[in-house]
Amino acid sequence: DAGITQSPRHKVTETGTPVTLRCHQTENHRYMYWYRQDPGHGLRLIHYSYGVKDTDKGEVSDGYSVSRSKTEDFLLTLESATSSQTSVYFCAISGQGQNTEAFFGQGTRLTVV
Amino acid sequence: GQSLEQPSEVTAVEGAIVQINCTYQTSGFYGLSWYQQHDGGAPTFLSYNALDGLEETGRFSSFLSRSDSYGYLLLQELQMKDSASYFCAVNEGRRALTFGSGTRLQVQP
Repeated sequence: DAGITQSPRHKVTETGTPVTLRCHQTENHRYMYWYRQDPGHGLRLIHYSYGVKDTDKGEVSDGYSVSRSKTEDFLLTLESATSSQTSVYFCAISGQGQNTEAFFGQGTRLTVV
Repeated sequence: GQSLEQPSEVTAVEGAIVQINCTYQTSGFYGLSWYQQHDGGAPTFLSYNALDGLEETGRFSSFLSRSDSYGYLLLQELQMKDSASYFCAVNEGRRALTFGSGTRLQVQP
């Protein structure tokens, strides 16, 4: 299994509070991604990174920010959590080459109350 | 932007063959991938097609037609453990995958 871990695995937070989710990899892969998964919507890209300090927005980036200060860590921050951000969040990594196989973490279930 | 369409649900019986279709619209295209996700689990990679044609990996095959912006995943000799959601995904540069909404496959005995 690819070395990718997400923390925390579960979190309940209150509306208006900031929340940070962490993704840590031991594969030295260049690319890292944050997706959210909601029923009926599949996996939607929030932000991604193509190198240290190089990040870009995905299709549902509003209300989220990211940081990548070193290769192995990619942080996702909900600046002021809202109930609409209740979701399962997946981190993924991928390396170089034609085969764009992405490896996913086990997910973080976030509930905003 | 990109969009992908795939059926929301498919039902089949053990031992049968099932095909899950995916059509896509994208301004740039590098390849089409397929992922499997069991309930409560993480998506796992199944296959990738960059060129037209059929790729076979055991009981699973994936097909791509770039001219038709169309692909499919073929599952043969269905087993109960194949009950899961299946996602197609396109890569449009910078290696950020865009996923379809997923097809829930239910295999019945």
